[in-house]
Amino acid sequence: QKEVEQNSGPLSVPEGAIASLNCTYSDRGSQSFFWYRQYSGKSPELIMSIYSNGDKEDGRFTAQLNKASQYVSLLIRDSQPSDSATYLCAVTFSGGYNKLIFGAGTRLAVHP
Amino acid sequence: GAVVSQHPSWVICKSGTSVKIECRSLDFQATTMFWYRQFPKQSLMLMATSNEGSKATYEQGVEKDKFLINHASLTLSTLTVTSAHPEDSSFYICSVTRTVFTEAFFGQGTRLTVV
Repeated sequence: QKEVEQNSGPLSVPEGAIASLNCTYSDRGSQSFFWYRQYSGKSPELIMSIYSNGDKEDGRFTAQLNKASQYVSLLIRDSQPSDSATYLCAVTFSGGYNKLIFGAGTRLAVHP
Repeated sequence: GAVVSQHPSWVICKSGTSVKIECRSLDFQATTMFWYRQFPKQSLMLMATSNEGSKATYEQGVEKDKFLINHASLTLSTLTVTSAHPEDSSFYICSVTRTVFTEAFFGQGTRLTVV
């Protein structure tokens, strides 16, 4: 069974701190990895995409991918209260149709 | 990012009736669209893959006769919840991708409440 695992949280960090979100996946053939942010009652919005091993930085966000360990992470620097949301890890599994499978999400709370 | 329009954004229907949800890709042609369902405090669960001009591919456990998917054009997919029951109340979201293995763009979602 193809799975994407995340710690459900909540992860609580003070404003200005670094938030670290983690995700593991089961399919070694996966090629594409994404982090989405979802506010309550809204649909997900893309934060980061990463396709190769290593780090990818975009503003306050850094995605890290380690395919050997089947591990993806997202770091949020200088966390703001507006970052409080559920962060969904998504993986495109091999086997056709470009299906995107989501983890359960980690709820992040940034307190002033 | 791609613009995906989903309609309606919310709907309330009586038990036993059917509801149709539309998903439109506004700025590119999408041969494949995806339908997800999300219950409160849970993650998105893929229901089916909608393929233009052919039958949809349903995930295990999803009743194809209850959730009818039609992808009649390269910009429109519809999901019809037939004979809706209160347990079908959920947040339904569609998505499209430009090419294989790239990011998905989501519609605004449809909150369905069956009373």
